Amino acid sequence: DQQVKQNSPSLSVQEGRISILNCDYTNSMFDYFLWYKKYPAEGPTFLISISSIKDKNEDGRFTVFLNKSAKHLSLHIVPSQPGDSAVYFCAAPPYNAGNMLTFGGGTRLMVKP
Amino acid sequence: ETGVTQSPTHLIKTRGQQVTLRCSSQSGHNTVSWYQQALGQGPQFIFQYYREEENGRGNFPPRFSGLQFPNYSSELNVNALELDDSALYLCASSQIGSPLHFGNGTRLTVT
Repeated sequence: DQQVKQNSPSLSVQEGRISILNCDYTNSMFDYFLWYKKYPAEGPTFLISISSIKDKNEDGRFTVFLNKSAKHLSLHIVPSQPGDSAVYFCAAPPYNAGNMLTFGGGTRLMVKP
Repeated sequence: ETGVTQSPTHLIKTRGQQVTLRCSSQSGHNTVSWYQQALGQGPQFIFQYYREEENGRGNFPPRFSGLQFPNYSSELNVNALELDDSALYLCASSQIGSPLHFGNGTRLTVT
């Protein structure tokens, strides 16, 4: 039972353009969502989060959008840079479960110079 | 500020053996979690410790066990290793209510 899904295993984008990474969830009890970025041979690093009381959260080049009715969130990176090339995971904790995260399968982003 | 460190970085074990993986939490963090990441998949939550007690567990059998020590270092023990236990094991620490900080992981291969 995959409660958090990232249906695109990979995405290729030209430097300077927008990258849009998508994530769907099935558990309506999720009320907080996070995005992590992972480089090879390193652990995931926290990127940005959003609470279910918001529909948008922005941090520099990174913006996360949440559509609760569609159970869908997306991460926008503008402008994309070659250093953004990594695997991106969306994650959510079950209600009141703190940091016991359920992760999606990840999307590998490649930003071409 | 030191981050989360894990040892060893790589390990090869034989099916049926036991393994202990170690983690040193980031300074000031009082919770530690362990995740298993199989090839091509996202990390899966194994369990979490807070103040040396397990306070949450994912869908893993009892042969996966852990310890958290007073200095917030932690161990993950896996008994009776199976081939499917081959994965990257990630340790993460945090303060309550703050995002997880992950170590670089231990790559376990079971042959």
